[in-house]
Amino acid sequence: GENVEQHPSTLSVQEGDSAVIKCTYSDSASNYFPWYKQELGKRPQLIIDIRSNVGEKKDQRIAVTLNKTAKHFSLHITETQPEDSAVYFCAARGVTGGGNKLTFGTGTQLKVEL
Amino acid sequence: DSGVTQTPKHLITATGQRVTLRCSPRSGDLSVYWYQQSLDQGLQFLIQYYNGEERAKGNILERFSAQQFPDLHSELNLSSLELGDSALYFCASSPLETFSYEQYFGPGTRLTVT
Repeated sequence: GENVEQHPSTLSVQEGDSAVIKCTYSDSASNYFPWYKQELGKRPQLIIDIRSNVGEKKDQRIAVTLNKTAKHFSLHITETQPEDSAVYFCAARGVTGGGNKLTFGTGTQLKVEL
Repeated sequence: DSGVTQTPKHLITATGQRVTLRCSPRSGDLSVYWYQQSLDQGLQFLIQYYNGEERAKGNILERFSAQQFPDLHSELNLSSLELGDSALYFCASSPLETFSYEQYFGPGTRLTVT
């Protein structure tokens, strides 16, 4: 089945700096890659996603890039703010076995320091 | 608020017991997903239902079962509970199975097995 690896597990940046989180996936047929933000004790919130036929997608301060050849995708947050502090999860949608199954990475704890 | 509702918010029970978690998807969504989130396992996909039928299965234990009812709400049944079943259980929903891959998570049910 699909396997998703995520790095780093923790990331500390100064307010205003950029943050980059990287994920790799194993199933070359995977076709959808969402990113979720989860604050402590809250639900995962979908913040941005990308499909396999697109190389990059931006939404204000966040962007996601996808390299299908290398099977990796990244989340970029620019001009970080304290409210960006949370755990971020990447995921990949596998196509084998039917359904709409997402395999998640292990998460990145982002801390934005003042 | 994602529009996905889950009850109860918290559940404390003893080993060997059985519990039922309930989820109502967003209005119009046909697919329901169940995920388990524990500290050492991250977000693990359990099972997906689409319009009442099971569509995909993850690492769901035989002690666990789920169903989706005609009104599209879903229940996750956990039996013969063990200490290791303590976790956050999330339900997510999405509109269709094809072309709409986005999954929106509910607030979760925190299960504590003592």
